[in-house]
Amino acid sequence: DQQVKQNSPSLSVQEGRISILNCDYTNSMFDYFLWYKKYPAEGPTFLISISSIKDKNEDGRFTVFLNKSAKHLSLHIVPSQPGDSAVYFCAASGKGRNAGNNRKLIWGLGTSLAVNP
Amino acid sequence: KAGVTQTPRYLIKTRGQQVTLSCSPISGHRSVSWYQQTPGQGLQFLFEYFSETQRNKGNFPGRFSGRQFSNSRSEMNVSTLELGDSALYLCASSPGAYVSSTDTQYFGPGTRLTVL
Repeated sequence: DQQVKQNSPSLSVQEGRISILNCDYTNSMFDYFLWYKKYPAEGPTFLISISSIKDKNEDGRFTVFLNKSAKHLSLHIVPSQPGDSAVYFCAASGKGRNAGNNRKLIWGLGTSLAVNP
Repeated sequence: KAGVTQTPRYLIKTRGQQVTLSCSPISGHRSVSWYQQTPGQGLQFLFEYFSETQRNKGNFPGRFSGRQFSNSRSEMNVSTLELGDSALYLCASSPGAYVSSTDTQYFGPGTRLTVL
C-alpha cells in the first residue's frame, strides 16, 4: 500500500522551462512534506519542505505547493537547469498517537527529471 | 561539519552469508535511520535509532537488524543473505529532536550491496 505516490516515473523538460513534479498521498495524518533530490551514486539531499499549515513554500527556483483537500503536492522548478537532472523523491510524515513516533518518513518511488540543454 | 559516512561503499557477498554495514552520523546528530533502495521499490524504511534505542521499524524480516552505539554510530546487519537483498543501503542522520516535526534527514552516500 503506497501511501505516497509519484505517478510519473520520469519527466523531460527543456532548459529554462518550468519543471513540475507531482506527488499524491493517502494518509490524512501526514502533516509535513519534504522533497529530496538524488544524483546517481549519492545519497538523497534535502531540497525543500512544507508544513500542512501552509499551502506554499518557496526557496529560490524551487516552490512547493500543497493542496490538502486533494492530498496533493507539487514541486515547481523555475527556470530548470541541466544540473537539476536527478531523481526527485517526495516524502511525508505525520503524528502518531505517540508524539515520539512521528519521525518515520514515508517515501514515494521517485521521479527522474531530465533537463535538456 | 563532516557529513554522514558509510562504510564500506561497495560489497559483494554470496547467498547465505551475513553482512554488517556501518554508519557514522553528523556530529551532534542522535537519530540514525536506515533505508533500502531498489529500482522498483524506491526508498524502503528499515529502522530508526535514537539514543541507542530502536524507535521505529519498517516491514522487513528479522534477518535485518541494527544497533546504535553510545557515540551515535550505527550498524545494520543482514543475516542469511538472499539475492533480493541486493540494493543500495542508505543511512540518514538527524538531530533527533523528540517532538519536532522537522524530519529533515541528511543522507550518506550509501553502501551498494550485491548478493551473488
